[in-house]
Amino acid sequence: DAGVTQSPTHLIKTRGQHVTLRCSPISGHKSVSWYQQVLGQGPQFIFQYYEKEERGRGNFPDRFSARQFPNYSSELNVNALLLGDSALYLCASSGTPNSNQPQHFGDGTRLSIL
Amino acid sequence: GENVEQHPSTLSVQEGDSAVIKCTYSDSASNYFPWYKQELGKRPQLIIDIRSNVGEKKDQRIAVTLNKTAKHFSLHITETQPEDSAVYFCAASKGSNYQLIWGAGTKLIIKP
Repeated sequence: DAGVTQSPTHLIKTRGQHVTLRCSPISGHKSVSWYQQVLGQGPQFIFQYYEKEERGRGNFPDRFSARQFPNYSSELNVNALLLGDSALYLCASSGTPNSNQPQHFGDGTRLSIL
Repeated sequence: GENVEQHPSTLSVQEGDSAVIKCTYSDSASNYFPWYKQELGKRPQLIIDIRSNVGEKKDQRIAVTLNKTAKHFSLHITETQPEDSAVYFCAASKGSNYQLIWGAGTKLIIKP
């Protein structure tokens, strides 16, 4: 069985641009969460989606948005990129929206802002 | 809101010895405590988790203990091996909201 898949694996952008990151959850999982992991730190929660609805949002500016599609895949969009957005963006899926259920992570997208 | 503190930030142990990583949390309503292992450049992998109705859980060389009164939980790795070298993260959640709150991580170094 395929695990959580994310694309692209690496991305280089310049300040002011926008970016779209993609995630496909484990088959049968309906919940997708997005995290930002800055080098040397733990992941920071950005969003959670379940059944195409936003169920949770972390402390990130409105430049960050996301959506979930009928097949439960998800996109994370970031507008007006800043140098500080450089990070590893992780997607995690779980069977339910409850955060007390195991979350399984993809390999992430490493975003570099020049 | 919830805050999770993790110690130490770096831990170096001799191969074959035990390693202990400790975390404290602030929200007494937290009821789920997973531990993740992240090797350099790779995804976090869930290695063990514990719920608040259990005080201890063991899986081969890995165990987690939870003290709800003191609001702390610990990861114990026995008979450490070189492949245990990685960054370990603890996390906590209440389940009723949708966030895992993570510790800052512990870099575990296994010396041959």
